[in-house]
Amino acid sequence: EAGVAQSPRYKIIEKRQSVAFWCNPISGHATLYWYQQILGQGPKLLIQFQNNGVVDDSQLPKDRFSAERLKGVDSTLKIQPAKLEDSAVYLCASSLEGPGTEQFFGPGTRLTVL
Amino acid sequence: AQSVTQPDIHITVSEGASLELRCNYSYGATPYLFWYVQSPGQGLQLLLKYFSGDTLVQGIKGFEAEFKRSQSSFNLRKPSVHWSDAAEYFCAVERASKIIFGSGTRLSIRP
Repeated sequence: EAGVAQSPRYKIIEKRQSVAFWCNPISGHATLYWYQQILGQGPKLLIQFQNNGVVDDSQLPKDRFSAERLKGVDSTLKIQPAKLEDSAVYLCASSLEGPGTEQFFGPGTRLTVL
Repeated sequence: AQSVTQPDIHITVSEGASLELRCNYSYGATPYLFWYVQSPGQGLQLLLKYFSGDTLVQGIKGFEAEFKRSQSSFNLRKPSVHWSDAAEYFCAVERASKIIFGSGTRLSIRP
């Protein structure tokens, strides 16, 4: 079974530039998550999708971050414009529906904002 | 406020020694509890989870965790660590489909 795929693995940009991350979840997983993991911290949920609808985006900085999940499969997370404090690893995870189901994580995208 | 606390930022143990990583949570009721491991450059992998029932749960790679309701704790243990266990360990709780991770404990193994 293929895991969660993410690209790119690394990205370096200058502040005020824009960047986009892509995630392909495990086939059949209805729920998709984007997390931000700042160095030395645990992952923080940015947005959670159920199929192509948003379940929770309460911690997404909506003035600069946006995410979409077209057709309920792949997802894209965008930052525009980026700030220095956005430097982090962005993790995508997917799971089957229902509480307590295991989340499967991708390898993440390490973003450095200069 | 709901929170997850991992009080140990970094722990070093000798190979073959026993291990215990601490996790405390603050919730109004018993949430779902998880331990994840993150190796360098890797995504997070689930070690074990607790929903209900037996308070001692077994996981992969020889890990186990014990849920103690009176202490709001869910500590991770392993009787004998291997050099390959060096990684970052995260405790997480889920309540009403919201998942919160602790800040992690970095485990180093002394040869």
